[in-house]
Amino acid sequence: ETGVTQTPRHLVMGMTNKKSLKCEQHLGHNAMYWYKQSAKKPLELMFVYNFKEQTENNSVPSRFSPECPNSSHLFLHLHTLQPEDSALYLCASTNNGGKNGYTFGSGTRLTVV
Amino acid sequence: TQLLEQSPQFLSIQEGENLTVYCNSSSVFSSLQWYRQEPGEGPVLLVTVVTGGEVKKLKRLTFQFGDARKDSSLHITAAQTGDTGLYLCAAPFGNEKLTFGTGTRLTIIP
Repeated sequence: ETGVTQTPRHLVMGMTNKKSLKCEQHLGHNAMYWYKQSAKKPLELMFVYNFKEQTENNSVPSRFSPECPNSSHLFLHLHTLQPEDSALYLCASTNNGGKNGYTFGSGTRLTVV
Repeated sequence: TQLLEQSPQFLSIQEGENLTVYCNSSSVFSSLQWYRQEPGEGPVLLVTVVTGGEVKKLKRLTFQFGDARKDSSLHITAAQTGDTGLYLCAAPFGNEKLTFGTGTRLTIIP
């Protein structure tokens, strides 16, 4: 347990489904992130939230929709995904702009069928 | 364009051997971090280096930041099976967002 909890750990969804990924941290961090990790690709930053405000949307398709209701919780809402969206989705949090490192959750392994 | 290149991409060695992996860029960093990621888990921070030429040790792991702060290396002495994992370097690019390298997948053979 790292202090950042992601649920579910595994998710299989059809292309017409709607699902949500959840991330929770009680480390007192003020920034939270969604990353996508695909095979043979570097970690790709998707979204950044600072003090609940979205400060970065890294050209992510609209079928991914983030939500940050408070500084401890982060969601990623998924709808009409494609098979190429299958990946490990990682949530991370940090303080102080990340100078002391990011704390990652264990990720959600998503398979789109 | 990949900002952080790691080499080698894959490395398999016998338990007890020594190894070095590298992280290189054409950019200068204010700091650089190393993470290890085990299968089915998220990356875990190992170390942060800040000063050019800095060397940090974490048990059998030695981390070095290049003098020009453009590159870094990770040396493991007497590798153990528990060292198996994906090693990632990361550095802040623009607005302090962390960008991750391509990773080195290390396998230690018993």
